[in-house]
Amino acid sequence: QVQLVQSGAEVKKPGASVKVSCKASGYTFTFYYMYWVRQAPGQGLEWMGLINPNDGRTSYARKFQGRVTMTRDTSTTTVYMDLSSLKSEDTAMYYCARTNSSSSPFDYWGQGTLVTVSS
Amino acid sequence: DIQMTQSPSSLSASVGDRVTITCRASQSISNYLNWYQQKPGKAPRLLIYAASSLQSGVPSRFSGSGSGTDFTLTISSLQPEDFTTYHCQQSFSTPVTFGQGTKLEIK
Repeated sequence: QVQLVQSGAEVKKPGASVKVSCKASGYTFTFYYMYWVRQAPGQGLEWMGLINPNDGRTSYARKFQGRVTMTRDTSTTTVYMDLSSLKSEDTAMYYCARTNSSSSPFDYWGQGTLVTVSS
Repeated sequence: DIQMTQSPSSLSASVGDRVTITCRASQSISNYLNWYQQKPGKAPRLLIYAASSLQSGVPSRFSGSGSGTDFTLTISSLQPEDFTTYHCQQSFSTPVTFGQGTKLEIK
């Protein structure tokens, strides 16, 4: 069965970086895009960017450009989201979600990784 | 960016009621509209895709309709497990965008 398993919760200080992983299993890793979506406490869902695991190409939301890097490791079927220069406003639940094209829905989601930014 | 506006932001109803949630796009998105259900502390779950197609495993009391800019999610007979939050999302263009969510509460 399809599974997206994310790394555990993180607590970071302002200005630090965080790297969240998302391990995919149960399907052909390179056939599906992986998106990252975050949700601040009590807020809606916000798209951060995507990676094509087949060739590693990425596209980032304007808001995060320069601060976010998404990578993948095909040998371990894992994608990574690295967010730098953290601020308190980055405190949120971060989700990976897969889709088979940019116009398709997210049919599977990771369980979420809570990132807390606090001094 | 395409703005997605959901209404209402919260809704009180009773078990067995029929409820409708609306999502409006700031420009035409054809039928590239998806609905998700999210329970507290959990990831969203896909309910409806392409405006009206029911995702596998989702109960038939959930249905979606609409095209262009106006869309609806209807739950025909509310069950206790349905009282949670619902999100719409457009996948017509990048960046994908979501509505602000509708919280369905027990009356």
